[in-house]
Amino acid sequence: QVQLQESGPGLVNPSQTLSLTCTVSGVDITTGGYFWAWFRQRPGEGLEWIGSIYYSGRPTYYSPSLKSRVTMSVDRSKNQFSLNLRSVTATDTAFYYCARGGVVVTATAFHVWGQGAQVTVSS
Amino acid sequence: QSVLTQPPSVSGTPGQRVTISCSGSSSNIGGNTVYWYQQVPGAAPRVLISSKDERPSGVPDRFSGSKSGTSASLAISGLQSDDEADYYCAAWDDSLFGPVFGGGTKVTVL
Repeated sequence: QVQLQESGPGLVNPSQTLSLTCTVSGVDITTGGYFWAWFRQRPGEGLEWIGSIYYSGRPTYYSPSLKSRVTMSVDRSKNQFSLNLRSVTATDTAFYYCARGGVVVTATAFHVWGQGAQVTVSS
Repeated sequence: QSVLTQPPSVSGTPGQRVTISCSGSSSNIGGNTVYWYQQVPGAAPRVLISSKDERPSGVPDRFSGSKSGTSASLAISGLQSDDEADYYCAAWDDSLFGPVFGGGTKVTVL
């Protein structure tokens, strides 16, 4: 059974980089040839897709609104994938989720999710 | 401002049938499958059903999904108290090249 777990600092200073890691357990991250994704949910708001990355590390696809600040990567040796969001502001305060996508990036059914991680941007 | 438009809330009494609409455009709903997610407070979203009326195992057939043109609908029949949750529609957007979501609809069982 595939399980995902987000980890990273819960508090980030403005203008710094938000870094989160998603650890995949129960299956090798390369199994099945899936895309892996990050989402966020601001307080009281809906879901926002941040980006998706192929199990091999390439290609990556990012939300146009965040593309200039986002980098995603895969560490197959640790069965993890990561999110870096640069130059954060208070508007980046949100609950961040990692999820497993489909075998094509256009698949919008994300069947496996982590429990999420609260990240607050504040000094 | 969400790309897909949903009503903020719908309510119904136990046993009633309620529907949630999701409006988009030709670049998203019009050309791609729509998925509905259920999110209960404090939990991650889960896939409920698609616009092709395909549901993952474990999702009761009280939930049904459909699509017509650039709009999609989720219907919940035989409304139950544990259906209280936020429901989101989602679809791939060919212009933005990414999945887009509705703002969510809160279902309240009166």
